[in-house]
Amino acid sequence: GEDVEQSLFLSVREGDSSVINCTYTDSSSTYLYWYKQEPGAGLQLLTYIFSNMDMKQDQRLTVLLNKKDKHLSLRIADTQTGDSAIYFCAETPMYSGGGADGLTFGKGTHLIIQP
Amino acid sequence: DSGVTQTPKHLITATGQRVTLRCSPRSGDLSVYWYQQSLDQGLQFLIQYYNGEERAKGNILERFSAQQFPDLHSELNLSSLELGDSALYFCASSVDTGGNYGYTFGSGTRLTVV
Repeated sequence: GEDVEQSLFLSVREGDSSVINCTYTDSSSTYLYWYKQEPGAGLQLLTYIFSNMDMKQDQRLTVLLNKKDKHLSLRIADTQTGDSAIYFCAETPMYSGGGADGLTFGKGTHLIIQP
Repeated sequence: DSGVTQTPKHLITATGQRVTLRCSPRSGDLSVYWYQQSLDQGLQFLIQYYNGEERAKGNILERFSAQQFPDLHSELNLSSLELGDSALYFCASSVDTGGNYGYTFGSGTRLTVV
């Protein structure tokens, strides 16, 4: 089955850029997502990218996709204390029939902000 | 507030008992998904309903069942509870069957089995 891998922790200084990486194994066309989970809260969808795209930018967030290496990254520019959270990478296959088998999530990367 | 409402927020119960978790999807969303989040397993997809019908099944135990009602709210029933069932249970919703544009998650129900 599909597998999504992320490193568990990332520590950055406030004001620097954070780059959170993710690798996935699904070889079919796929949708890829980044979710943010703050303590005691649910998952908040940050952004998504389809596998026919290389890059997507949304304000401070930049998503880069290397489909050949099955590598996805999330860059957060000018990291702030409010960005401290767990970031989950997730993927789901793109079925022409619109069926869904749920999202496959990575274990999440804890982003730690140093003052 | 994401628009997805889950109740209760916290639940403490004993082994062998049965509980029901409730979810109201975001207005206009027809699909409801249930996920279990635990420290060792991470986020695991359990089951999906679309407009009242079961659409997809993931790693859901036979002791667990779910349904979606005509008003689109959903309930997840967990029976013969074991200590290992202690986890955060999330409900999510999407407007379509595939959720390809992402889901909206509720804030979860924390289940503790003692």
